[in-house]
Parts: sequence; C-alpha cells; structure tokens
Amino acid sequence: AQTVTQSQPEMSVQEAETVTLSCTYDTSESDYYLFWYKQPPSRQMILVIRQEAYKQQNATENRFSVNFQKAAKSFSLKISDSQLGDAAMYFCAYMGGNKLVFGAGTILRVKS
Amino acid sequence: ETGVTQTPRHLVMGMTNKKSLKCEQHLGHNAMYWYKQSAKKPLELMFVYNFKEQTENNSVPSRFSPECPNSSHLFLHLHTLQPEDSALYLCASSQDRGRSNEQFFGPGTRLTVL
Repeated sequence: AQTVTQSQPEMSVQEAETVTLSCTYDTSESDYYLFWYKQPPSRQMILVIRQEAYKQQNATENRFSVNFQKAAKSFSLKISDSQLGDAAMYFCAYMGGNKLVFGAGTILRVKS
Repeated sequence: ETGVTQTPRHLVMGMTNKKSLKCEQHLGHNAMYWYKQSAKKPLELMFVYNFKEQTENNSVPSRFSPECPNSSHLFLHLHTLQPEDSALYLCASSQDRGRSNEQFFGPGTRLTVL
C-alpha cells in the first residue's frame, strides 16, 4: 500500500522569507499524481499545487513551487516570500489508483 | 452557494443518539467522499460514491452509514458512536475518480461524542 510521510510536524518562517516543507512517499507505481493541500485554521482545505509523475518539470504556482525527485520519492513544497495568510496545516497527498492518500500534515506558522 | 457545503458545522452527541451529517456540492461533480480527520493523524478515507453508487468502504464500522441520494448530496448517518469517533468529518467531491482530478473539500463537521 502507498504511504505518505511528512517528517516535520511543525515549521516556522519569518514573513517574506522562504520555507520548504518535506514529503516522501512509498509506491511501486510509475504513473501517479502528487498534491499539496492547505488547510487554514477553521477553513476549508484547498489545493495548492499538483504534480504529474511523468512530467520531469517541477510544478509552480506563483509563490509555491515543488521539488519533485521521482527516484528518491520526494516531493517538497517551497513557499517563497511567505505571507501571514500562508499560516495553515499543509498536507502532502498521493494518488496512484483512484484513492487519495494523505500524510499527517505540517503546521506552518508565519511570524511577523 | 458555491463549492462544497456541510451541515452542521459542529455537533455534540451522546453515545445513544442518532444524528446525520449532510454534504452538498454545487460543482456538478460525479464523485463524493467522506473523510475522517483526527488530530495528528493523516486523513482517513471512509467512503466513496461515484455516480451515486458506493465504490469504496474503507473498513468503516457499521455505526457509520452513508447515503447518496443523488450526485449532489451525501449524508453520513451516525448511531451509537463511541468517544473515539470524535473528529472532524470532511466531505469532498471531484469530477470523477480520475487520478488527476482535484478533490474539493467542504469545511467539515466537528463532531464530539460524549
């Protein structure tokens, strides 16, 4: 079965600085999708960024980018120019078949 | 309303009560999901419905009973719950069960079982 590991329960970043959240996964499949979801306090979970495994180019969405290392099964999220609104729980997720598997999440705190 | 809505947002119930959680999606999606979110644990997929048919039951105890009358509505009926069932219950929907499809989440129902 696929598993997703987020080794950082909590992270802090100073406003305007850059932070990287780690994610590793375990799978025997070659074709799959990876996602980062953001869950702000008491608000709905939303998709931040998505990566297709067969695409070598790292996905980017404005201040959010990923470092996808397929051989290492690593999928980290980099947030540049951090803003107060980035404070949230971030979940890494994997979809190979038709089931989304989530990591335990990383709480990101942004300091002003 | 847009997106995925859930009611109630908060629910406190005793172990002998019967209650229901409601989810509605306004996105024209065909797949709907129930997840359980407990503190410091990954989201646990509970049930999946695709075109109103249940396609996955992730070994969920029978005290949780889902119902999907149409592609826009999903219910989770609760009876004789245990205190360890206290959690945030999230509903989600997606266009279909394809791998690339983003799942859109509701705000959740915070359930407390006394």
